[in-house]
Amino acid sequence: AQSVTQPDIHITVSEGASLELRCNYSYGATPYLFWYVQSPGQGLQLLLKYFSGDTLVQGIKGFEAEFKRSQSSFNLRKPSVHWSDAAEYFCAVGTTGANNLFFGTGTRLTVIP
Amino acid sequence: EPEVTQTPSHQVTQMGQEVILRCVPISNHLYFYWYRQILGQKVEFLVSFYNNEISEKSEIFDDQFSVERPDGSNFTLKIRSTKLEDSAMYFCASSEATGRGTEAFFGQGTRLTVV
Repeated sequence: AQSVTQPDIHITVSEGASLELRCNYSYGATPYLFWYVQSPGQGLQLLLKYFSGDTLVQGIKGFEAEFKRSQSSFNLRKPSVHWSDAAEYFCAVGTTGANNLFFGTGTRLTVIP
Repeated sequence: EPEVTQTPSHQVTQMGQEVILRCVPISNHLYFYWYRQILGQKVEFLVSFYNNEISEKSEIFDDQFSVERPDGSNFTLKIRSTKLEDSAMYFCASSEATGRGTEAFFGQGTRLTVV
């Protein structure tokens, strides 16, 4: 069965520090993987996606993620966090880009000065 | 930048009442979706819609739910007789296509509270 696990419910980092949000997936077919961000009162915004090719993908706002098939992981990283990055982050997996996506429970990021 | 818009942002309804959640997808998109997130739980797929038909639905999308594209711009989710457990954030999304490489664009959500 398809599933996505985000082990960290809440992470607090200092502004300027590096960030890594974890995502593990279970999927029978070749997965398409996504990271979405939701700021308060906003919709889900796509940060980046992986379909094939280079396993290190770059996204918007300085984020990147690395697909590791052997570990069934797709962790999100940012070298230096900004206060505006405080939000909820969702990892998702699907067979196509949009239909029937499976989401994780999300990780809430708090950024402290 | 084009975006998916949803109205209302928050709706409170009494148990047993019908509710309609509205969405305006991005204008050149052909595929439409509803997802929901019960507080503290995962975002879950409800239904996808293309060419005026449901193309896929989850187990959650039972007979109390229906979707419609009443005109060229709106996409609605109707819940016929709301239950307390329908309280959730409902997200509408749209995409140009549905195959490899497609991206879904999500709205800001409608928070439905059933009392």
